[in-house]
Amino acid sequence: QSVLTQPPSVSAAPGQKVTISCSGSSSNIGSHHVSWYQQFPGTAPKLLIYDNNKRPSGTPDRFSVSKSGTSATLGITGLQTGDEADYYCGTWDSSLRAGVFGGGTKLTVL
Amino acid sequence: EVQLVESGGGLVQPGGSLRLSCAASGFTLRRHWMTWVRQSPGKGLEWVANIKDDGSAKYYVDSVKGRFTISRDDAKNSLYLQMNSLRAEDTAVYYCARDQLYYSGESFDSWGQGTLVSVSS
Repeated sequence: QSVLTQPPSVSAAPGQKVTISCSGSSSNIGSHHVSWYQQFPGTAPKLLIYDNNKRPSGTPDRFSVSKSGTSATLGITGLQTGDEADYYCGTWDSSLRAGVFGGGTKLTVL
Repeated sequence: EVQLVESGGGLVQPGGSLRLSCAASGFTLRRHWMTWVRQSPGKGLEWVANIKDDGSAKYYVDSVKGRFTISRDDAKNSLYLQMNSLRAEDTAVYYCARDQLYYSGESFDSWGQGTLVSVSS
């Protein structure tokens, strides 16, 4: 059972928009910056978004995050088949004094 | 170019030990916190441990406390994870990750390719 809660899977058609939620608590999302990672099968995760909604160079602006209280939501617009991957949210938890991740969400572009 | 290269994984019997290494290049290691993250086959990411930039603080997930030890040698540009009393549930790909400056513990901006640890008799 992950400390951060994500839906196991989401799907949408090419060109559409999809959102992936990440729910936590006051000791993690509520008091720390959230980051998001994209992982393709057999490869290492890649940082997609950090500091709640900042994009490293290379992340398209089709990817964005909104954060409210103890939840964060990754939004992807203009879906492409190449976006099919697993997505993870992560942050620090002050109570656990440990890093935490969501369980991951598999995105399928139909 | 930032590079992290893990090594030291392999097959080990339950109760055995392994030492993972992560060779860092392309950046100044001593400026960064560093982290180990693992991923069991077909499962999600699990944060394992991290170490402060100066080595003065170390944190662990509960399931490995007392069994795993994270360490670093900045002179050798290396990060380590000593794993003792290994269990079947420790079977995973272990990733070395660099904590992003100013976001220690919250964001990892570079990852290694991972090294597989299999614990089985």
